[in-house]
Parts: sequence; C-alpha cells; structure tokens
Amino acid sequence: SQELEQSPQSLIVQEGKNLTINCTSSKTLYGLYWYKQKYGEGLIFLMMLQKGGEEKSHEKITAKLDEKKQQSSLHITASQPSHAGIYLCGAGQEGGGADGLTFGKGTHLIIQP
Amino acid sequence: GAVVSQHPSRVICKSGTSVKIECRSLDFQATTMFWYRQFPKQSLMLMATSNEGSKATYEQGVEKDKFLINHASLTLSTLTVTSAHPEDSSFYICSAREETDYSTDTQYFGPGTRLTVL
Repeated sequence: SQELEQSPQSLIVQEGKNLTINCTSSKTLYGLYWYKQKYGEGLIFLMMLQKGGEEKSHEKITAKLDEKKQQSSLHITASQPSHAGIYLCGAGQEGGGADGLTFGKGTHLIIQP
Repeated sequence: GAVVSQHPSRVICKSGTSVKIECRSLDFQATTMFWYRQFPKQSLMLMATSNEGSKATYEQGVEKDKFLINHASLTLSTLTVTSAHPEDSSFYICSAREETDYSTDTQYFGPGTRLTVL
C-alpha cells in the first residue's frame, strides 16, 4: 500500500517568512492533492498536481511535483496568520480519482505574529 | 469551488444506539462519495467508497455491517453507525468527487461530523 510521509510534522514560522512543507511517497504519485485543515474542521482543497515537474500557484502558495512523481513540496511566501492550520497531502490512485485518497499525517503550521 | 455539507456537525449518543450522518454535494452531482475517519491528531483514514446506485466498497478492517452506507441520490450519501460504542467516537468526514475529466477530477470535503459515544 502507498504511504505518504510529510515533513516537518510541525512548523512555527514568524509572520512574513517563507516556508516549505514536503510530502514524499513510497510509490509513484498519480495525483497529489494538497489540503488545509483547521483542527476539528473539514478540508479545504488547495491544489492538485498530476504531471512530473508540474507547478501550480494560488495566491501565495505554490505546489510542485518532482519529475519522478514521488515527492511534492508546498511553499508559502510571506506567511500570514491566515495560513495557520494543518496541511495534508493526499495521493490518488493510478487511473484517476475513482478511489479514495491516502493521506500523510499532516504538517501543523503555526504563524507567530 | 464545489461545496459539500455534512449534518449533523456534532452528535453525542449513548452506547448501543445508531447514528446517521448525511453528506450532500450542494452544487454538483457526485456519483462517488467517500467516507473518512480521523482520530485526534491523526490523519484521515479512508473507510469506504459510496457509489450511487450500487453497494459501497469498504476498506480492509472496516465492518460493513457496523458502518452502513447508502448513496440514495447523486447528491446525498449517508453513513449510519450502528450500535455505536465509545471506540467509535471520532471525527467523520465525507468527500464528493466532482467529475470533470476522469483523470483530473477533484475531491471536495465536507466540514466533518464529531461523534461522541458515551
């Protein structure tokens, strides 16, 4: 079965600083999803990557999938308090999105004012 | 983006009773919905795949007779926890697959339901 390892597990960053969260898969990724979760709440979809070398950006968040499709990174530029939360990477299955996702354990991001 | 709702958001029940949780896709149709469970400070674990018009597919280790899933329409899936016990207390989250192109569809998640079994 596929396993996703996220690093770091937790991260404390001063407001305005940049940060990077990594997600490494034990198998080739056929669809890598990034979500944000506030504790005890649902998941907010951020981005989905499929192609090796793909990079997507939304506002101050950029996600990349490496060429080998086994690692993804999420980069936040000039962090703000609104970025605080738990970031989860999820892997889809080969062949598309007909199956549920396998998730990493999450990265807990704290933004210090 | 697409919106998925869940009801109720919180439920407290006595041991031995059954609890039904609803998951609705509000502005799109979803032939496939998914149910996940999340224990405190842990990640989401897929429980089952809910298919409109057919039986649900359960992940290994998930009891289908305990967690009944009904995908009644293209916008509604329900999860019923039968004869709930304290160890079933958890955060249950559903997701719905918005089908655009089969290779690029996205799963949108509901806000979750906090179940506490006394």
